[in-house]
Amino acid sequence: EAGVAQSPRYKIIEKRQSVAFWCNPISGHATLYWYQQILGQGPKLLIQFQNNGVVDDSQLPKDRFSAERLKGVDSTLKIQPAKLEDSAVYLCASSLTGTGTEAFFGQGTRLTVV
Amino acid sequence: GESVGLHLPTLSVQEGDNSIINCAYSNSASDYFIWYKQESGKGPQFIIDIRSNMDKRQGQRVTVLLNKTVKHLSLQIAATQPGDSAVYFCAETGGYQKVTFGTGTKLQVIP
Repeated sequence: EAGVAQSPRYKIIEKRQSVAFWCNPISGHATLYWYQQILGQGPKLLIQFQNNGVVDDSQLPKDRFSAERLKGVDSTLKIQPAKLEDSAVYLCASSLTGTGTEAFFGQGTRLTVV
Repeated sequence: GESVGLHLPTLSVQEGDNSIINCAYSNSASDYFIWYKQESGKGPQFIIDIRSNMDKRQGQRVTVLLNKTVKHLSLQIAATQPGDSAVYFCAETGGYQKVTFGTGTKLQVIP
């Protein structure tokens, strides 16, 4: 079974530039998550999709972050404009529908803002 | 707000010994708990889970214990191996599958 695919693996940008990350979840997984993981910390949920609808985006900085999941499959996360504090690993995960189901994570995209 | 935290940031264990990683949670409404292992440069990997109506669950070399009275969760790894070296996160979920992670414990296995 193919895992969660993310790209790019690494990205370096200057502050105030924009950047986009892509995620392809496991086939058949209705739920998709984007997490931000700052070095030395646990992942923090940014946004959760159920199919192509948003379930939770309470911790998404909506003035600069946006995410979409068109057609309920692939998803993109965008940051515009980026700030230094956005430097982190951005993890995508997916799971089957249903409470308490296991989430599978991609390898993440390491973003460095300089 | 509600949080999930860990008692020890780093744990060093001799190879072959048992490891115990502890976690405290504060959301009494949590009904599902998960332990994840994260190796350097990789995303978190599911290890074992437990529902709030259980107090113990065993997997291969791992056991999770849940004490709802004191809101405490622990992960026990038997016969710790070098490949177990990683950061371990406990996480909890309530409704809508929202998963909240703690800050992690780094397990170092000494050969």
